[in-house]
Amino acid sequence: GQNIDQPTEMTATEGAIVQINCTYQTSGFNGLFWYQQHAGEAPTFLSYNVLDGLEEKGRFSSFLSRSKGYSYLLLKELQMKDSASYLCAVTDSNYQLIWGAGTKLIIKP
Amino acid sequence: SAVISQKPSRDICQRGTSLTIQCQVDSQVTMMFWYRQQPGQSLTLIATANQGSEATYESGFVIDKFPISRPNLTFSTLTVSNMSPEDSSIYLCSVDMLGVSYNEQFFGPGTRLTVL
Repeated sequence: GQNIDQPTEMTATEGAIVQINCTYQTSGFNGLFWYQQHAGEAPTFLSYNVLDGLEEKGRFSSFLSRSKGYSYLLLKELQMKDSASYLCAVTDSNYQLIWGAGTKLIIKP
Repeated sequence: SAVISQKPSRDICQRGTSLTIQCQVDSQVTMMFWYRQQPGQSLTLIATANQGSEATYESGFVIDKFPISRPNLTFSTLTVSNMSPEDSSIYLCSVDMLGVSYNEQFFGPGTRLTVL
């Protein structure tokens, strides 16, 4: 079957750095997405990786290792507004999006 | 990008009734999707709404329970039929927009449904 694993919840301190991991087992791979979802709101796009390596976008970076079926989202200089759920999603060989359950990130002052 | 609106934003319904959720996009799109998200859970794809043909349902979802219409390239509806408390969830409409190297999904604000 197809599976995406993320930690259920993480806690970090304002101003610090946090890494949210995602591992996947899917039938084929055509890219990995990270989305941010604030409570009661729709998910919004953060990043896309299809090749191995690090993609940096401001305070957020996303890393991919296809051989390990592994990705992480790195958030730097954490702000209170970063408190949200972070969803990892993989596009399989049929270009269908498979979603992880999401990681709830709690930021403390 | 795409701007998506959904109606209603929330509703409280009685068991056995039906609710139709509308999704409107500000541009023409080929692919529209309907998701369900239960509290603390991931997104579950219900179906893909195809313009001019029947929707394509995922395993565990059937047309009798979740009929979908797609009359044109900017609009779709999802009906939750004969509701039970287990149908209480957030229902999200989304669209695929083709970028330079990948398709990005944009989501509507969601419809929060409570069934009593």
